[in-house]
Amino acid sequence: KNQVEQSPQSLIILEGKNCTLQCNYTVSPFSNLRWYKQDTGRGPVSLTIMTFSENTKSNGRYTATLDADTKQSSLHITASQLSDSASYICVVSREGGSYIPTFGRGTSLIVHP
Amino acid sequence: SQTIHQWPATLVQPVGSPLSLECTVEGTSNPNLYWYRQAAGRGLQLLFYSVGIGQISSEVPQNLSASRPQDRQFILSSKKLLLSDSGFYLCAWRSGQTYGYTFGSGTRLTVV
Repeated sequence: KNQVEQSPQSLIILEGKNCTLQCNYTVSPFSNLRWYKQDTGRGPVSLTIMTFSENTKSNGRYTATLDADTKQSSLHITASQLSDSASYICVVSREGGSYIPTFGRGTSLIVHP
Repeated sequence: SQTIHQWPATLVQPVGSPLSLECTVEGTSNPNLYWYRQAAGRGLQLLFYSVGIGQISSEVPQNLSASRPQDRQFILSSKKLLLSDSGFYLCAWRSGQTYGYTFGSGTRLTVV
């Protein structure tokens, strides 16, 4: 069964600190993995996308890593800001088929001043 | 550039009333279109997707239906809303040449 598990479910950190969010998946055959940021009451916005051959991708203070062998990904946020408070969703897609990706339930991040 | 429009942003409807949520995409042709629902504290649940005009695939049998009357228009409907239909509804599109989804801004539906 294709599944995406994210941890932790929620996280509270102080402004300026770093944090790392985890994503484990069983989706196969693997096509790509994306991280989205969803502010409360808004639609998700793409942060990074990685294919099988990519193991690191950065977008400003966000850095995603991918280990296709262990089927794990992480999203590292550097020098957190209050605006980083949001839900972060990991999405994994299979090769072929009708292109229906599998969504994780997200990690809720709260950054306190 | 491509944009996606979804409306209304919020909606409060009584039980048993009809529903119509609209989503339109600009700046692209023949997009794949999707409707998702997100319940509080839950992940995104795929409701319907469409790869072309008049082509609708349903992922979860329920009180909702979808239609695609035009290439870049996707409509989510219900004849009679249930309390359990409350949630955050998201429209998304994807071009066949890209990996990623682009989501609309969402509709917060509250059935009372």
